[in-house]
Amino acid sequence: AQSVAQPEDQVNVAEGNPLTVKCTYSVSGNPYLFWYVQYPNRGLQFLLKYITGDNLVKGSYGFEAEFNKSQTSFHLKKPSALVSDSALYFCAVRSDTGGGNKLTFGTGTQLKVEL
Amino acid sequence: KAGVTQTPRYLIKTRGQQVTLSCSPISGHRSVSWYQQTPGQGLQFLFEYFSETQRNKGNFPGRFSGRQFSNSRSEMNVSTLELGDSALYLCASSPTVPGSYEQYFGPGTRLTVT
Repeated sequence: AQSVAQPEDQVNVAEGNPLTVKCTYSVSGNPYLFWYVQYPNRGLQFLLKYITGDNLVKGSYGFEAEFNKSQTSFHLKKPSALVSDSALYFCAVRSDTGGGNKLTFGTGTQLKVEL
Repeated sequence: KAGVTQTPRYLIKTRGQQVTLSCSPISGHRSVSWYQQTPGQGLQFLFEYFSETQRNKGNFPGRFSGRQFSNSRSEMNVSTLELGDSALYLCASSPTVPGSYEQYFGPGTRLTVT
């Protein structure tokens, strides 16, 4: 079985400050990890992924994430937050064992960036 | 390339009725997955189709079914609707290029069951 935990329901940060949205996972086999963002009344938008290779992956809109195998974490980061980053963020995992694209999502973290 | 499209965007049905939702994947994507999003349960995987075959299935009752056509378009059907089926239903397509495992989501169909 695979699972994802996003321990914070909401993260508040001031514009211009760095932001971190936390994610830990559990999966058998090697993990494929993803971050998605959802704006109100919209579908999910892909931000970045970790499949293999460098532990620091860069994605869209200046976001990056750090894969830490020993801590089974994949935290989303951005050096300087924008008000427009305010949205709901989801971490997701799938295993590299077995076929198929089943993603298991975390419960989501609401990011609020204030002026 | 055009993104994933879903129709209809909004739907209101009555308990006991059935509903069919449609999804057109990104051109060239052969994998289509369906997810249900509710405030209480979050995002839950329903099923995945690849080359017209169901490849994965989540923990949903048999009232939820799907299919995929030869052009990769997919439909999902929910029979005997219950109030708890009210949700945003999201379709996602994925390329079959090795290493490209990300899924691209459509805008969703908002189903309200009254």
